[in-house]
Amino acid sequence: AQSVTQPDIHITVSEGASLELRCNYSYGATPYLFWYVQSPGQGLQLLLKYFSGDTLVQGIKGFEAEFKRSQSSFNLRKPSVHWSDAAEYFCAVGGYTGNQFYFGTGTSLTVIP
Amino acid sequence: GAGVSQSPRYKVAKRGQDVALRCDPISGHVSLFWYQQALGQGPEFLTYFQNEAQLDKSGLPSDRFFAERPEGSVSTLKIQRTQQEDSAVYLCASSRSGQINQPQHFGDGTRLSIL
Repeated sequence: AQSVTQPDIHITVSEGASLELRCNYSYGATPYLFWYVQSPGQGLQLLLKYFSGDTLVQGIKGFEAEFKRSQSSFNLRKPSVHWSDAAEYFCAVGGYTGNQFYFGTGTSLTVIP
Repeated sequence: GAGVSQSPRYKVAKRGQDVALRCDPISGHVSLFWYQQALGQGPEFLTYFQNEAQLDKSGLPSDRFFAERPEGSVSTLKIQRTQQEDSAVYLCASSRSGQINQPQHFGDGTRLSIL
């Protein structure tokens, strides 16, 4: 069965430091991959997506993610974190069955000054 | 409106009561999705509509859950005889077409608490 794993439940970084959030998926073929961000009490906002082609994708708010087939990973990165980046981040995969998305359990990001 | 609108934002009900949650998608969006997000978890797929047709309801946890989108626009998720385990945030999302490469736009959700 398809699944998404986000190994880090919670991450704390200092403002200005770099960030990497991990995501691993299980699927036999190349899935459609997404990263979403959710602020408290809000819905999910799409940061970026990968379908095919260049394995390094750029998203909004200075985020990027790299698809690594050999590691079944799609890690999210940002070179310099801002205090406003504090939120919950979800990795999702889709395209297996119809239009279903499967979300990971999320990584909560805290940014300290 | 510009985004997906859900109402009410908060709903408190007693166990055994029926509840109805509303989703108003972005105008012109063909696809509509419902998700359930338990505390500390990621959203879990419930059901999917393309226009008025419910194409996938495999994620609905029991026959107490029912969703409809009769005119292909506004959708309602109904939960009958609510149980405490139904307490969660219910998210609605819409997308322009039924293609997976179209991003899903999420509403702010309805937080349901069953007492």
